[in-house]
Amino acid sequence: DAMVIQNPRYQVTQFGKPVTLSCSQTLNHNVMYWYQQKSSQAPKLLFHYYDKDFNNEADTPDNFQSRRPNTSFCFLDIRSPGLGDAAMYLCATSVDRVDSETQYFGPGTRLLVL
Amino acid sequence: DAKTTQPPSMDCAEGRAANLPCNHSTISGNEYVYWYRQIHSQGPQYIIHGLKNNETNEMASLIITEDRKSSTLILPHATLRDTAVYYCIVRVVWEYGNKLVFGAGTILRVKS
Repeated sequence: DAMVIQNPRYQVTQFGKPVTLSCSQTLNHNVMYWYQQKSSQAPKLLFHYYDKDFNNEADTPDNFQSRRPNTSFCFLDIRSPGLGDAAMYLCATSVDRVDSETQYFGPGTRLLVL
Repeated sequence: DAKTTQPPSMDCAEGRAANLPCNHSTISGNEYVYWYRQIHSQGPQYIIHGLKNNETNEMASLIITEDRKSSTLILPHATLRDTAVYYCIVRVVWEYGNKLVFGAGTILRVKS
């Protein structure tokens, strides 16, 4: 089945140690999104790629970066994780960015910062 | 940005219809209403969306009022597996297109 895959499902890192989360999709969608969801809160968009065009949300900290080497893969890099970055990180895709497109989410990676 | 208001939580008996309300009084004429749900420790799952007309699919029905200021998601026969957080979202009008801004959502608890 076509899907959005996130690895690993759980990631433990140390305070200040760079960490990379990965997302892959078999849907061949043009757009890939990264959301952050802290405990008991709603998902919050960090940034997205439309093809190779990167779009950052205004309030996304500089500590968060992203790479999309090809259509199928997208990475979230946290350069110096702080305790406040512990959260679920969700990857999503959509065919396009037009009005009625739905987004398909992966299962998420839960990041723990020690 | 059009905002949504949902009750924080609701209970529903298994096998009964679950009716989840959402207010979006500032919605613009070309903005869609989306519903997603998130089962514990999983990614959000798309349920349904609509613009003006009522919509139905295999998961749910969406009833949108004529003035479009509110809507109701209906799960016709709720099961225990429908226990989740349900998000009503109005797509943000944005130069880049499809942007979902999640609100607090409604925790639906289906009880046997």
